[in-house]
Amino acid sequence: KNEVEQSPQNLTAQEGEFITINCSYSVGISALHWLQQHPGGGIVSLFMLSSGKKKHGRLIATINIQEKHSSLHITASHPRDSAVYICAGLNSGGSNYKLTFGKGTLLTVNP
Amino acid sequence: EAQVTQNPRYLITVTGKKLTVTCSQNMNHEYMSWYRQDPGLGLRQIYYSMNVEVTDKGDVPEGYKVSRKEKRNFPLILESPSPNQTSLYFCASSSQYRYGYTFGSGTRLTVV
Repeated sequence: KNEVEQSPQNLTAQEGEFITINCSYSVGISALHWLQQHPGGGIVSLFMLSSGKKKHGRLIATINIQEKHSSLHITASHPRDSAVYICAGLNSGGSNYKLTFGKGTLLTVNP
Repeated sequence: EAQVTQNPRYLITVTGKKLTVTCSQNMNHEYMSWYRQDPGLGLRQIYYSMNVEVTDKGDVPEGYKVSRKEKRNFPLILESPSPNQTSLYFCASSSQYRYGYTFGSGTRLTVV
């Protein structure tokens, strides 16, 4: 069964700190999505990675295919970054394009 | 504006009364999918569709039906809702499975 494990479950930081959220996944997952869910419930797609590294503003996502591990980094964190961050693995193979989600990391950035 | 529109946003219904949650996208995306989100369980995929008339089960399809007769619409049908289907539901679409997803605003369903 394809699985995605995220850590930590909860993370509290002070404004300005560098933040890392980790995601490990099992065999059979070909790409990793990072999602952000705001307190109001809306979900935004941040990155999709199948190799290497992507950057958007203060957000950086990396993936190590050999180790089956991905990280989401936030530089110079700000209270508006407070949200739940979710990684999701794309199961591919034949026509089986399904997403398996991690349980999410609740990030709180204090001013 | 490019978006995925879900309706209704909130719905309270009674056990056994058929309901449909609509999902529509205006981006000509091939891929559409339904998810439910529950405390402690996170997001789980219900059904997905790779294109018109092509649908497949996700991880928790029991009690749900979908159809994809047009590219833009992907309704979620609960033929006989039960209280364990009380959840927050999201629809999403993507141009191809490899790219980012656009999510709807969510539908909070309560079945009593």
